[in-house]
Amino acid sequence: QQPVQSPQAVILREGEDAVINCSSSKALYSVHWYRQKHGEAPVFLMILLKGGEQKGHEKISASFNEKKQQSSLYLTASQLSYSGTYFCGTERYGTYKYIFGTGTRLKVLA
Amino acid sequence: SQTIHQWPATLVQPVGSPLSLECTVEGTSNPNLYWYRQAAGRGLQLLFYSVGIGQISSEVPQNLSASRPQDRQFILSSKKLLLSDSGFYLCAWRRMTQAKNIQYFGAGTRLSVL
Repeated sequence: QQPVQSPQAVILREGEDAVINCSSSKALYSVHWYRQKHGEAPVFLMILLKGGEQKGHEKISASFNEKKQQSSLYLTASQLSYSGTYFCGTERYGTYKYIFGTGTRLKVLA
Repeated sequence: SQTIHQWPATLVQPVGSPLSLECTVEGTSNPNLYWYRQAAGRGLQLLFYSVGIGQISSEVPQNLSASRPQDRQFILSSKKLLLSDSGFYLCAWRRMTQAKNIQYFGAGTRLSVL
């Protein structure tokens, strides 16, 4: 029931790119992406509402395929500050139940 | 502006003791409220959510309970803590207006049950 994220963990060098995927078995109304630093609360990155919608935030962008119930987060030219655990957050149609994906640990090395 | 307060920040409790964590939201009305737990190195597990005063949906019944006595107050409780209750507890709120249903988190409570 919990959305599955892939990969579980990834290590990058500064300047490299990464893609994080989020896949749900249930129909989704929206997908949100969050980043959590160690010992801190998750911080909102972006929201995707429509099928096929893409949004960007600096060098981080995302897409949402409503038909496939999948979302992807794209990190380009990664920076040290991108390190953390990324979660997709999802809400199912007709409910207020809000759950998070399994998480992806990202570490960017200098 | 809206703010969410969660306390205490850190708590060490013996097994079998009671628990009460409180969360309050300021600057908004009728928010959806959520409690999550995160075990060390793990993901975010939804425990309870509420869409209004006195309305609680439970995802993990176990030995935890939640209450919403006021519109912007959400309380997580336990009568007897277990070792497995240790973790990082996060309260969150969402404003269910069109296209603005972002979820905002409190700073969290780190609970150690010994």
